[in-house]
Amino acid sequence: GQQVMQIPQYQHVQEGEDFTTYCNSSTTLSNIQWYKQRPGGHPVFLIQLVKSGEVKKQKRLTFQFGEAKKNSSLHITATQTTDVGTYFCAGPWAGTYKYIFGTGTRLKVLA
Amino acid sequence: DAGVIQSPRHEVTEMGQEVTLRCKPISGHDYLFWYRQTMMRGLELLIYFNNNVPIDDSGMPEDRFSAKMPNASFSTLKIQPSEPRDSAVYFCASSFTFRVRGEAFFGQGTRLTVV
Repeated sequence: GQQVMQIPQYQHVQEGEDFTTYCNSSTTLSNIQWYKQRPGGHPVFLIQLVKSGEVKKQKRLTFQFGEAKKNSSLHITATQTTDVGTYFCAGPWAGTYKYIFGTGTRLKVLA
Repeated sequence: DAGVIQSPRHEVTEMGQEVTLRCKPISGHDYLFWYRQTMMRGLELLIYFNNNVPIDDSGMPEDRFSAKMPNASFSTLKIQPSEPRDSAVYFCASSFTFRVRGEAFFGQGTRLTVV
């Protein structure tokens, strides 16, 4: 079945450093979504990418969708303590609404 | 809107007991999803509904799990009998088809502990 893997699994950074998480799907995706889950919280939608090679920015966050629509990345510039949490990508299975979540990357930011 | 509402927030039960988790989706949303989150398996989609009809229940682990959506504003996930390995956080999420962004809105989750 479809698998969505993320690397790294964990990342500790000093506040102010940059952070990147990578998402890889075993199949081509029609779109990809990114969510953030704070410790003890629930996943919160960040963004959806649809087009091949698409790049979107939200303040310090930059999201990219690969040309082949099988991978994606999230880059955070100059991390802050408020960025702490687990970042998930999610892709739909075979064009359905069955979104498969990636394994997640847990980010810790050291002040 | 109050968002997706789940109850209870925490549930502790003994092995063998029946557990019912409840969800009220955002009004007007036509998709409802049940997810389970554990450290070992991450976020797993158990089942999802469209317009109250179950579309895909292939993620439901065993026959001990069942889900219903009797109307557009209410869904339940039932585990009978419960087992310690069912301990997890269960999330309900809802989505509106025609929104451009297509995002799912998650509830606060129910933390289930089976002892």
